[in-house]
Amino acid sequence: DAKTTQPTSMDCAEGRAANLPCNHSTISGNEYVYWYRQIHSQGPQYIIHGLKNNETNEMASLIITEDRKSSTLILPHATLRDTAVYYCIVVTGTASKLTFGTGTRLQVTL
Amino acid sequence: DAGITQSPRYKITETGRQVTLMCHQTWSHSYMFWYRQDLGHGLRLIYYSAAADITDKGEVPDGYVVSRSKTENFPLTLESATRSQTSVYFCASREPVSGAYNEQFFGPGTRLTVL
Repeated sequence: DAKTTQPTSMDCAEGRAANLPCNHSTISGNEYVYWYRQIHSQGPQYIIHGLKNNETNEMASLIITEDRKSSTLILPHATLRDTAVYYCIVVTGTASKLTFGTGTRLQVTL
Repeated sequence: DAGITQSPRYKITETGRQVTLMCHQTWSHSYMFWYRQDLGHGLRLIYYSAAADITDKGEVPDGYVVSRSKTENFPLTLESATRSQTSVYFCASREPVSGAYNEQFFGPGTRLTVL
């Protein structure tokens, strides 16, 4: 699986968009970008995934660059409940397992 | 209750004792996983199972034993607990990947302290 690089931490004001970057410069053509988040003391939760097209669901949007070497998870209107560690994971579509890095700790403040 | 549950939620044990952490899911998911998460770190895969009676090692399997006699249960046993196994343990499950949809569903975790 390709390695990912994420900032250790980020802050965002409540109501603003939170843009969480992820670099995956060694991603291969059959690897997807997945995002999970882990709210304090809970198990991780799936957010979204994509291959090369931008994706949107009720939780977030995923923007993947044309060369697929980086992506951005966007929480359009961050709330205090979005404070969590966000994990960017690159994995093939049929992979049996996921590899979690250390993620980005997002702190949403008033 | 529907979903994935873990028991106990908290456990304190002593070095050298055997400890079993339980994981139960009600979805009949074929895949199940055990992760550990140490303070300030991401999750690391211990063992996983693709179906009943099929298990495979993850990143950090040493000191752990798993079994999967029933689809819904995936117990994790520490045969002789060590202090380095103090951690939070998460169980997860999912269906076989379909169209690259690879969502794992996680349990609430078990906080294990080995004295």
